[in-house]
Amino acid sequence: QSVLTQPPSASGTPGQRVTISCSGSSSNIGSNTVNWYQQLPGTAPKLLIYSNNQRPSGVPDRFSGSKSGTSASLAISGLQSEDEADYYCAAWDDSLNGFWVFGGGTKLTVL
Amino acid sequence: QVQLVQSGAEVKKPGSSVKVSCKASGGTFSSYAISWVRQAPGQGLEWMGRIIPILGIANYAQKFQGRVTITADKSTSTAYMELSSLRSEDTAVYYCAREDSNYGTIDYWGQGTLVTVSS
Repeated sequence: QSVLTQPPSASGTPGQRVTISCSGSSSNIGSNTVNWYQQLPGTAPKLLIYSNNQRPSGVPDRFSGSKSGTSASLAISGLQSEDEADYYCAAWDDSLNGFWVFGGGTKLTVL
Repeated sequence: QVQLVQSGAEVKKPGSSVKVSCKASGGTFSSYAISWVRQAPGQGLEWMGRIIPILGIANYAQKFQGRVTITADKSTSTAYMELSSLRSEDTAVYYCAREDSNYGTIDYWGQGTLVTVSS
């Protein structure tokens, strides 16, 4: 049971636009910025989006992020076969002494 | 280019301990927090704790309190995660990762270390 809630799966055809949601609470997404990670099979997570909507150098502009209140979304436009991966949202939670929380992950399938 | 290189795979008996290392290069080690995150087979990411090397202060997820110890050696730019009283449910890939507090993000990840707990 992850602190952040994501749909377990999403799918789309090449060229389509897909979105993945991430729902949290006032102590995490409501108070702090959201990050998104892409994880290909057998590899470490890779930072895709930070500070809600910023892309690290090298991440295509097909990937975009947004946040509103205690929810966030990742959008992928112009879907490509290589986008098939697991996607995780993450945020700092201010409860207790503070800790990182993650979503349960969304498996994206490119049909 | 920041790199985090972790120690190799381990096979442990239930009840024993494991210590995983994470050597950083290409950045200012002491200035950033290092977190440890694990991923059980087929499961999601789970944060275990973190350390700020320049302060030597660690904090841990409640779930792992009393069982995990995270330390850092500034002289070698290496962080360590030790997990004790291992059980089969601790079988997972363990990642170290660097935090950038300026942007509230975990930006760089180690390659992961598979720890298998089996009798």
